[in-house]
Amino acid sequence: EPEVTQTPSHQVTQMGQEVILRCVPISNHLYFYWYRQILGQKVEFLVSFYNNEISEKSEIFDDQFSVERPDGSNFTLKIRSTKLEDSAMYFCATLRDRGTDTQYFGPGTRLTVL
Amino acid sequence: KNQVEQSPQSLIILEGKNCTLQCNYTVSPFSNLRWYKQDTGRGPVSLTIMTFSENTKSNGRYTATLDADTKQSSLHITASQLSDSASYICVVSGFNAGNNRKLIWGLGTSLAVNP
Repeated sequence: EPEVTQTPSHQVTQMGQEVILRCVPISNHLYFYWYRQILGQKVEFLVSFYNNEISEKSEIFDDQFSVERPDGSNFTLKIRSTKLEDSAMYFCATLRDRGTDTQYFGPGTRLTVL
Repeated sequence: KNQVEQSPQSLIILEGKNCTLQCNYTVSPFSNLRWYKQDTGRGPVSLTIMTFSENTKSNGRYTATLDADTKQSSLHITASQLSDSASYICVVSGFNAGNNRKLIWGLGTSLAVNP
């Protein structure tokens, strides 16, 4: 069964450094999402992406965050200057089309900011 | 305010027993309700999705119910197995002020199935 993959599985970085989290969506999926989950808290929506542009973003997704799909395959989340509070699990999710309405989640990247 | 509340927060049961998890929501307008299973350190996996008109939906040993009038849902797990140990998250889909679809996530119920 096709699945969403994410790399790396765990990223440790120093505060202020840039990180790029990568996601490979399921091949025929058109809608892409990033979520994060701080340990012990709810999953939080960050951003949705369709047709090579952001379709919606939450208030968490400030100027420090950016997304792109540079090669038509990988879907990336960049955090420009990490803060301690960015430490969380980051999940990529993809959706084939709005009619199916079931997002498939990747295994997540655990980001630890020191 | 759009909210999803789940109970209990955590639950421990013996292998082979049944259990029921609860979800109450105040999301309006309502589009659909999903239950996800999230293993520790993994991404959520969809178990069921129900629209306004559906009262019950099953997926193997998992049966979800929805009462759209009282805004309550339950997830019943039959004949639990050790592999059912996970967090079960209720997610309600609604619409925000801009008429964009929005997912409201619950905190989840942490289920531990012991031998």
